[in-house]
Parts: sequence; structure tokens; C-alpha cells
Amino acid sequence: DAGVTQSPTHLIKTRGQQVTLRCSPKSGHDTVSWYQQALGQGPQFIFQYYEEEERQRGNFPDRFSGHQFPNYSSELNVNALLLGDSALYLCASSLPAGGSEQYFGPGTRLTVT
Amino acid sequence: TQLLEQSPQFLSIQEGENLTVYCNSSSVFSSLQWYRQEPGEGPVLLVTVVTGGEVKKLKRLTFQFGDARKDSSLHITAAQPGDTGLYLCAVSSNTGKLIFGQGTTLQVKP
Repeated sequence: DAGVTQSPTHLIKTRGQQVTLRCSPKSGHDTVSWYQQALGQGPQFIFQYYEEEERQRGNFPDRFSGHQFPNYSSELNVNALLLGDSALYLCASSLPAGGSEQYFGPGTRLTVT
Repeated sequence: TQLLEQSPQFLSIQEGENLTVYCNSSSVFSSLQWYRQEPGEGPVLLVTVVTGGEVKKLKRLTFQFGDARKDSSLHITAAQPGDTGLYLCAVSSNTGKLIFGQGTTLQVKP
């Protein structure tokens, strides 16, 4: 049973560019959440997708957008990259009920130069 | 301001020593979770504490939820190099959004 997978593992982009990160949830999970984690800090909630809709959003600008596909996989898009967007981007999947355990992928390390 | 304040932020100890990590808040929570994150990996859930005063043990790790359900501690006995990692406390909203503390980076030297 595959856990949460993310691609790519590492990515280097230039300021102003756009990036797309991908996530496949754990088998049987239909809810996907995205988090941003700066080095040595705790993850910060970006948004959550359920039934192909954004269900909840954290305090992130509109440059951050997402999508969920019918197979429950998800994408995170970031436009007009800033140096401060350099971070580890984590995807977590769960069942939709509140309190369900979230399983995290290994993350995508994004470096903006 | 952080909803969850963790201390210390960084801890470097020798193998065999004991340590305690704290997670504090001014808010009351229905439950609190502890995660461990190793380099190159995502956080992995260690335990969820639910009842005020609750103590849970996971091998050499002991977790306690404060009586008022505002704080929690993680105690590691006889730390091993394999315990090295980032320890995170977190609380969950009713929609499943996780709010994390800033984490405690633990380094256990052989």
C-alpha cells in the first residue's frame, strides 16, 4: 500500500517564475492538505481540498492556488515566485472527517534564486 | 504570535541523557498531537493526547497532556542517536487543518 507520494523531490526556480508541485494521496484517502515548512520551523497550512473543491484556506496570498483531480491527486501552483517562497512543501492526505489522522508525504524542496 | 509555543527550540545532548520538550498555549484544546520529522521526510504522528492529565508512553517516550488541556510535554529517557529529529506539537481544527508549533530540533550525539 503506497503512502503519500510527491513530485518532484527538489526544484530550483528563478524569482518571478511559476511552479507546479504534485501529490498523490494514500490509498483510500480523498482529502488533501498542503503545508509550507521553512527550514527548522513547523509546517504552515496553505489549503485543503475535498471533492475537487478548496474547503479551507490558510493565510497565503492568491499566488498560491491548487487543484484536486477526480482520482483525488492534487497540484499546488505558485505564481510570481519570491525568494521567500523557498521552503519544503508538504502534502498530507486523510479521510474527510475532522480529527482523522493526516499522513504526510516526503515533501518537495523548492529553492527560489 | 504562535498559538503553540515550543521550548527549547534546539537541544543537543549526548546519547543516554534524558530530556523534556514543552508545548505551551493560552488556549484550551480538545486534543493535541506530537509528531517527529526526520530530515528528508514528512512529519510522522507519534501520539494523540485527549484527556487532561493523560500520560501516554511509547517505548522510551512519555507524553503528558496538562490538566487544563493547554500544554503538553514530551520526555525521552536514555536518548539514542535514532531519536534525532524535529519534534512538533500540533492541534487539529474540526475540518482537519493542523496548526503546528515551531518545533524542537533534537540532536543526540553518540
